[in-house]
Amino acid sequence: NAGVTQTPKFQVLKTGQSMTLQCAQDMNHEYMSWYRQDPGMGLRLIHYSVGAGITDQGEVPNGYNVSRSTTEDFPLRLLSAAPSQTSVYFCASSYGGSSSTDTQYFGPGTRLTVL
Amino acid sequence: ILNVEQSPQSLHVQEGDSTNFTCSFPSSNFYALHWYRWETAKSPEALFVMTLNGDEKKKGRISATLNTKEGYSYLYIKGSQPEDSATYLCANPGGYQKVTFGTGTKLQVIP
Repeated sequence: NAGVTQTPKFQVLKTGQSMTLQCAQDMNHEYMSWYRQDPGMGLRLIHYSVGAGITDQGEVPNGYNVSRSTTEDFPLRLLSAAPSQTSVYFCASSYGGSSSTDTQYFGPGTRLTVL
Repeated sequence: ILNVEQSPQSLHVQEGDSTNFTCSFPSSNFYALHWYRWETAKSPEALFVMTLNGDEKKKGRISATLNTKEGYSYLYIKGSQPEDSATYLCANPGGYQKVTFGTGTKLQVIP
């Protein structure tokens, strides 16, 4: 199993550009989520999904869109990149729809810089 | 406590010392408390999931306790080794499956 994979590993964008961060998992996990990690802020939840076709907002959803058309994939779209979105982005997944006791498996992260 | 708080923010200990740090969380509507270990340039990896008041979990030299009534969990490392150097995160999966992470305790073990 590859676990949770993310592409790209690094990306530089100009303000106003759009892009999609890819996330895939091969563990048949129902729950998937996106976090951003900023210095001194820890991991903050952007969006999450409890199964194909179901998504919801986390703590910091503004400027990001998600969709979940398959169990395996959970892409994160930046519609119009802003310097405030410079961060490291982590995708994570866990087994069931109940995230209370299911530990999350994290991808390797995408480091995004917006100029 | 409204959010998940961890203390101290960072810690330097000598090799062989034992250490501990704290995670505080809202005691109402408790679901579970997760601990993760996050090494530099890697991804967070799960250490423990704790659900019951009084829970105690152990993995090698690392152990954790849980007090849901007062809203805290302690992580202990006995006889710290350089390979224990990492950031230790706790996470509180709240209602509606939204997970809140603390900002972490960064541990540096000096050889």
